[in-house]
Amino acid sequence: SAVISQKPSRDICQRGTSLTIQCQVDSQVTMMFWYRQQPGQSLTLIATANQGSEATYESGFVIDKFPISRPNLTFSTLTVSNMSPEDSSIYLCSVVRGSSGHEQFFGPGTRLTVL
Amino acid sequence: LAKTTQPISMDSYEGQEVNITCSHNNIATNDYITWYQQFPSQGPRFIIQGYKTKVTNEVASLFIPADRKSSTLSLPRVSLSDTAVYYCLGYSGAGSYQLTFGKGTKLSVIP
Repeated sequence: SAVISQKPSRDICQRGTSLTIQCQVDSQVTMMFWYRQQPGQSLTLIATANQGSEATYESGFVIDKFPISRPNLTFSTLTVSNMSPEDSSIYLCSVVRGSSGHEQFFGPGTRLTVL
Repeated sequence: LAKTTQPISMDSYEGQEVNITCSHNNIATNDYITWYQQFPSQGPRFIIQGYKTKVTNEVASLFIPADRKSSTLSLPRVSLSDTAVYYCLGYSGAGSYQLTFGKGTKLSVIP
C-alpha cells in the first residue's frame, strides 16, 4: 500500500488567485497522477507527473493553468492558476503501487471552493 | 479500455449479494480490469483487479468472461457501510496507463 497526504485539505479562494496543492507519499514512486473531481461527478485525470521530466497533460488541461512540479520521488505539487468558480472541485493525487503495478492509491483530496 | 459503462445506481438490502457489471467493449489485450470504491469526501480505494476468469479476495469477487468485454464485481452480503460509488477502470501494461474513470455506480444499501 501507500500512504499519501495532501495539503491543504480544503481552501476557499478568491477569483483570480492561485493555489498550490501539495502531495506527499510515504515512499518513492515513479509516477504520480493528479485528478479533478467536480461535485457529484467522476474523476478526471489532469496530468501524469514523472520525476525528472515535464508532466504530461490530458486533453482539456494545460500547463499554464495547472503547472505541476515533481522535484523528487515522494513529492509533487499542483497549482491551480487564475482561479474561477468553475475550478471549484476536489483535487486528488494518486500513485500506482502493488505487486502487479495496477493498484492505484489516492490521497484524501483537497476541496477547493472559488468565490 | 478507454471507455467503460456501468449502471448509474443500484439499491440493495442488507445481507444480499450485489453484482455490478461494467461494459468495456474496446478492451485491449494487455488491459487489466480494476475496481475502486469511493465514500463521500474520500479518495477512491482499490478493491480488486483481474485479467480473466474469476478473482476473489477478502472484500469482493471479480468475474470476467472469456471475451473480456465486461466484468462483474460481486459484493457478498452487503452492509450499510458498503454504500458508496464503485468504479471500474482499465490498466494496460506497466508504464502505459489508461486512467479514464467512468461515471461509476452509486450503491445504496437499505436496512
